[in-house]
Amino acid sequence: SQQGEEDPQALSIQEGENATMNCSYKTSINNLQWYRQNSGRGLVHLILIRSNEREKHSGRLRVTLDTSKKSSSLLITASRAADTASYFCATDSGSEKLVFGKGTKLTVNP
Amino acid sequence: GAGVSQSPSNKVTEKGKDVELRCDPISGHTALYWYRQRLGQGLEFLIYFQGNSAPDKSGLPSDRFSAERTGESVSTLTIQRTQQEDSAVYLCASSSWSTRGGELFFGEGSRLTVL
Repeated sequence: SQQGEEDPQALSIQEGENATMNCSYKTSINNLQWYRQNSGRGLVHLILIRSNEREKHSGRLRVTLDTSKKSSSLLITASRAADTASYFCATDSGSEKLVFGKGTKLTVNP
Repeated sequence: GAGVSQSPSNKVTEKGKDVELRCDPISGHTALYWYRQRLGQGLEFLIYFQGNSAPDKSGLPSDRFSAERTGESVSTLTIQRTQQEDSAVYLCASSSWSTRGGELFFGEGSRLTVL
């Protein structure tokens, strides 16, 4: 069963704009992770935020976590065409497996 | 190699045939995961290994699916009597005990097409 649900399902923006993707989940978590998947490739880990953290930054990425609302957001600033990919959130509820959402497909137009 | 390696990268088979998909995790990674990704969909958890044991097989869709891991290294996912609905990309990932609950390292996947 899906734990994380991302929205929007698809997002199209112009280069230089910011992209925001959201993830909602149902049960309590130890941490939440964001992954990126280029078309036809494997997933690459972007960032991990623990349940006791509220915000985390990594380069042009900013992740927030609101455990009271069971939601997280991923912000990509100053987007580039190379950021075009699908982005997935994944939750760790202590069961040794990550449960992935269905992803947001981001298209950054040059 | 430095990353997770999966083979074959592409497999086309006829309905009813058996297939084996292989995963070579990063050396020293104790945990190994199999996920399935249907076209345009998210990842569906299949099975998880800690060492050579599989404490969580809850995601295997049917008894046609099985997996094993040997030497705390290579894992094989076997699908017997394949059906068209088995067509998907099968992704393998590994992680180390020290990053338990942390980052997964994924292979490029094995794309299975059942005709």
